[in-house]
Amino acid sequence: AQSVSQHNHHVILSEAASLELGCNYSYGGTVNLFWYVQYPGQHLQLLLKYFSGDPLVKGIKGFEAEFIKSKFSFNLRKPSVQWSDTAEYFCAVISNSGYALNFGKGTSLLVTP
Amino acid sequence: EAGVTQFPSHSVIEKGQTVTLRCDPISGHDNLYWYRRVMGKEIKFLLHFVKESKQDESGMPNNRFLAERTGGTYSTLKVQPAELEDSGVYFCASSQSWETTFGSGTRLTVV
Repeated sequence: AQSVSQHNHHVILSEAASLELGCNYSYGGTVNLFWYVQYPGQHLQLLLKYFSGDPLVKGIKGFEAEFIKSKFSFNLRKPSVQWSDTAEYFCAVISNSGYALNFGKGTSLLVTP
Repeated sequence: EAGVTQFPSHSVIEKGQTVTLRCDPISGHDNLYWYRRVMGKEIKFLLHFVKESKQDESGMPNNRFLAERTGGTYSTLKVQPAELEDSGVYFCASSQSWETTFGSGTRLTVV
């Protein structure tokens, strides 16, 4: 079955720590990959996306993600987190034959001062 | 540009009652989606409209859920009668191409 797995459900980091959130997917064929973020009290926002080309994609607010096709992974990274990065992060996939986003369960990130 | 607007933001109803959620997409967006997140689980696709037509409603849980999109503009999602397991956050989203914009969601609590 097609699925998206996020390995960490709750992450707590101190400010300035580095962040890596794991995402693996199980889809055949070509996929489009996304990371969304939901800050407290706000709507889901797109952080970054990968469609094709350079597998290392850069998004807003210093986030980046690397698509590793052989590992079916699209991990999210940030070298130095800030308190304002406290939010829930969702990995999502659209297969080329589809149109609806398929989400992972989300990772709740808490950054402490 | 106005974003995707959902109403109400919160709703608490008793089991057996009816609730109607509303979504106003971004003007000009042909695609409108409904998603739901039950607590502790992933955000799940419910259905997809292209203009006023249902493109895919394979994610609708059962026939207690009815979605409409009048004239290809706003959409409603009615739950009748509501059950306890329907509690969750219902997200609406719209797009014209690949970029999907989400509303803030409606938190539905069935007691």
